[in-house]
Amino acid sequence: GDSVTQMEGPVTLSEEAFLTINCTYTATGYPSLFWYVQYPGEGLQLLLKATKADDKGSNKGFEATYRKETTSFHLEKGSVQVSDSAVYFCALSDQGGSEKLVFGKGTKLTVNP
Amino acid sequence: NAGVTQTPKFQVLKTGQSMTLQCAQDMNHNSMYWYRQDPGMGLRLIYYSASEGTTDKGEVPNGYNVSRLNKREFSLRLESAAPSQTSVYFCASKLGTPIETQYFGPGTRLLVL
Repeated sequence: GDSVTQMEGPVTLSEEAFLTINCTYTATGYPSLFWYVQYPGEGLQLLLKATKADDKGSNKGFEATYRKETTSFHLEKGSVQVSDSAVYFCALSDQGGSEKLVFGKGTKLTVNP
Repeated sequence: NAGVTQTPKFQVLKTGQSMTLQCAQDMNHNSMYWYRQDPGMGLRLIYYSASEGTTDKGEVPNGYNVSRLNKREFSLRLESAAPSQTSVYFCASKLGTPIETQYFGPGTRLLVL
C-alpha cells in the first residue's frame, strides 16, 4: 500500500539556519502531497501542499517541490526561527475511495535562539 | 467558523469503561475521519466517513465503532477501553476530493488505566 518515509528526528538547529526535512513516498497513481505542522499541544495545521508533479508548495517561508522522478517532497526553509519549533508531518492523499491521508512518522524540530 | 471541534479535550478511563468522543465541523464538508496519534507512529486512520450515511474501516479499527450522525457530526465510541487505546485522537474533515485539504480538530487526549 501507499507509504511515506520521512527523516528521523529530532532535528535541532540554531536560529537563521537552513532547514531540510526529507520525505519520500510510495504510491500508485498520482497522489497529492502535503506537509502538516503540529505545534505543542495543538492539532495539525496544513503548512503547504502540491497536487501534481513539479508543483511547488510554499507558505511562511517553507517550500517543497513535488518530484515524481525521485518520489520526493522535501521540506525546506532558508532561515528558521524559534517559532518554527514543532513537529512536521509529510503526508499523501490516497487516491482510492477513502482519500485518507497516509502520514510519515513526523520530525520534531527544535530551533534554539 | 469554529472549524472542527472535539469534545472532551482530556479523559481518563478505567479498563473496561466505555466512552464516546464527539466531533463536529461547520464547513459543510462531506468526508470526516478519525485518527489516533501515538509516539513515533505518526497518525493512523481508525475510521472514516466519505459521505453522510457511510462509514468504513481504516488501518486500526479494532476496539472502536463510529457513527456519522449527520453531515456535521462524526462520533467515535470505545465500548470497552483498554490501556492500548491510550492515545491522542484527532478528528478531521475535508470537502471530498483528493486535492482538498483535511482540517483537523484540536484533539482528545485519552488515558486508559
